[in-house]
Amino acid sequence: QVHLQESGPGLVKPSETLSLTCNVSGGSISGYYWSWMRQSPGKGLEWIGYIYYSGSTNYSPSLKSRLTISVDTSKNQFSLKLRSVTAADSALYYCARFWDSNSIPNYFDSWGQGTLVTVSS
Amino acid sequence: SYVLTQPPSVSVAPGQTATITCGGDNIETKGVHWYQQKPGQAPVLVVYDDSDRPSGIPERFSGLTSGNTATLTISRVEAGDEADYYCQVWDGLSDHVVFGGGTKLTVL
Repeated sequence: QVHLQESGPGLVKPSETLSLTCNVSGGSISGYYWSWMRQSPGKGLEWIGYIYYSGSTNYSPSLKSRLTISVDTSKNQFSLKLRSVTAADSALYYCARFWDSNSIPNYFDSWGQGTLVTVSS
Repeated sequence: SYVLTQPPSVSVAPGQTATITCGGDNIETKGVHWYQQKPGQAPVLVVYDDSDRPSGIPERFSGLTSGNTATLTISRVEAGDEADYYCQVWDGLSDHVVFGGGTKLTVL
């Protein structure tokens, strides 16, 4: 059973960069898609983007201009960087494994517990 | 962009059947997946590919997709089923993930 754990600062100042890492244990990061989601307090789930273990990415159009997702297969982890953050980026951020069917991303079968990020000065 | 529409809330008495819908244009052509999220917890996949259940998910949870509507049915509802439920699809036209807005299931 793969286990995912998010880590990173819980507080980020406005206009700065939010950086999070998802450590994958209990299985290899290779061969799979990996994704980030977020959830603002009291709101629904928002997809941020995904990365294939090879490094190819796909981002939500609403965040694409500020977003970079990267992968480090040697460390079995992947990361998120969101630039120029505002209070609207305050949320619970989740990482998840994105299970594919015939190489097409499909559903999220394993999730991290989530990490709360607050954007405030 | 593709949109999934869920009712904000559904209420059901214990032992009864809960039905949660997810509407989308021609949704039957896409694989629909359902997640359960209890307060303070991460989402958990309860149905994938319209009607399949992951290991460990009770048979009480079932899914069906037809036309423009996907349905998650929870039979013999228990107090522990109280949670938010989200539907999700992969939109192959845009290569993006789409989530429904979520439905809060209240067990009366």
